[in-house]
Amino acid sequence: GAVVSQHPSRVICKSGTSVKIECRSLDFQATTMFWYRQFPKQSLMLMATSNEGSKATYEQGVEKDKFLINHASLTLSTLTVTSAHPEDSSFYICSARLSGGVYNEQFFGPGTRLTVL
Amino acid sequence: QKEVEQDPGPLSVPEGAIVSLNCTYSNSAFQYFMWYRQYSRKGPELLMYTYSSGNKEDGRFTAQVDKSSKYISLFIRDSQPSDSATYLCAMGLVGGATNKLIFGTGTLLAVQP
Repeated sequence: GAVVSQHPSRVICKSGTSVKIECRSLDFQATTMFWYRQFPKQSLMLMATSNEGSKATYEQGVEKDKFLINHASLTLSTLTVTSAHPEDSSFYICSARLSGGVYNEQFFGPGTRLTVL
Repeated sequence: QKEVEQDPGPLSVPEGAIVSLNCTYSNSAFQYFMWYRQYSRKGPELLMYTYSSGNKEDGRFTAQVDKSSKYISLFIRDSQPSDSATYLCAMGLVGGATNKLIFGTGTLLAVQP
């Protein structure tokens, strides 16, 4: 149980294009999902908290117009990197919080490696 | 001062050794604590979680929490090469408004065969 998938696992795009990454909780409902980015040999950096049916909450320094988040259902959240540039190249990981879980356990997806040329 | 401090390593041990991974934290309001394991180029995997001071065992893994010292540890017994990964501690608040976890920077562990 508690499986989270991400799609695509890897994407290469040209500078200026937009990229959409999907995060799905496969066998549980997640009212809250989180989006992180991780640079090589560094820890997870929380970008935003995504709540089903409401606007995402962004961390300080994260541009909400550049990183669009939509959490349309209890099992799906999407992150769109708009007008991507090489500095946006990173490993993007989502997690889903188990609804009703006492300890806010988060289960992570396998990550999406974005390379912007 | 960061809310959560974790030695980034790398930590290299021989197969069969006991490994001790540690985190300290500054926010005494943290109530639950987790350990994640992350293999290279993969998402983190939840290993253990606990909310009380003391020890919790699961197979070769033991999570230890000392709230008075604001210190948590993960012990790995009989370490295996397959344990080679980055280990992240995480902590949070029950009923916290944002429900977010605060992560340590991760410790890179290498178990040599």
